Amino acid sequence: NAGVMQNPRHLVRRRGQEARLRCSPMKGHSHVYWYRQLPEEGLKFMVYLQKENIIDESGMPKERFSAEFPKEGPSILRIQQVVRGDSAAYFCASSLDREQQTQYFGPGTRLLVL
Amino acid sequence: GIQVEQSPPDLILQEGANSTLRCNFSDSVNNLQWFHQNPWGQLINLFYIPSGTKQNGRLSATTVATERYSLLYISSSQTTDSGVYFCAVEGGAAGNKLTFGGGTRVLVKP
Repeated sequence: NAGVMQNPRHLVRRRGQEARLRCSPMKGHSHVYWYRQLPEEGLKFMVYLQKENIIDESGMPKERFSAEFPKEGPSILRIQQVVRGDSAAYFCASSLDREQQTQYFGPGTRLLVL
Repeated sequence: GIQVEQSPPDLILQEGANSTLRCNFSDSVNNLQWFHQNPWGQLINLFYIPSGTKQNGRLSATTVATERYSLLYISSSQTTDSGVYFCAVEGGAAGNKLTFGGGTRVLVKP
């Protein structure tokens, strides 16, 4: 039973480019969460999605960031016009259901903006 | 929102020593998880423990929900225990999102 999968594991972008991060939840899980970890800091919540719905995006920056979880395929976190401050590790987690469920984390995507 | 504080921030141990890490939180919680982030950056689930006590090998955890704290015990530490230990909670008015503490950075010396 594969765990949460994320790709790419490492991504290098120049300022102004777009970054697309992908997350495939664990089999049978329909709840996906994205978190960001800045260097030497803890993880901070960004967005919570179910299939075709954004449930909570209270942690997402207002501009340049968007997320989706389509009916088919992985969840995508998209960052437009990246800046150096976007350099961070982006983790995806999934859970089986909404109520009191363990969140399982993927290996993360490390984004470096030059 | 809910606040999560971990102590100590840093811990240096000699191999074989025991230690206790603490997590305090400011509101009632529906979910509390302990993670180990290894030196390669991977987050490893240790415990899902909103209340009670659990053990897994040399690690054990206790959450006293009524007093709003959780403890992680590491016994007979090994160099592979090095890394950062995070406590994360879901609760209060925060909905399903996990709020992470600042972590305890553990270094186990041989």
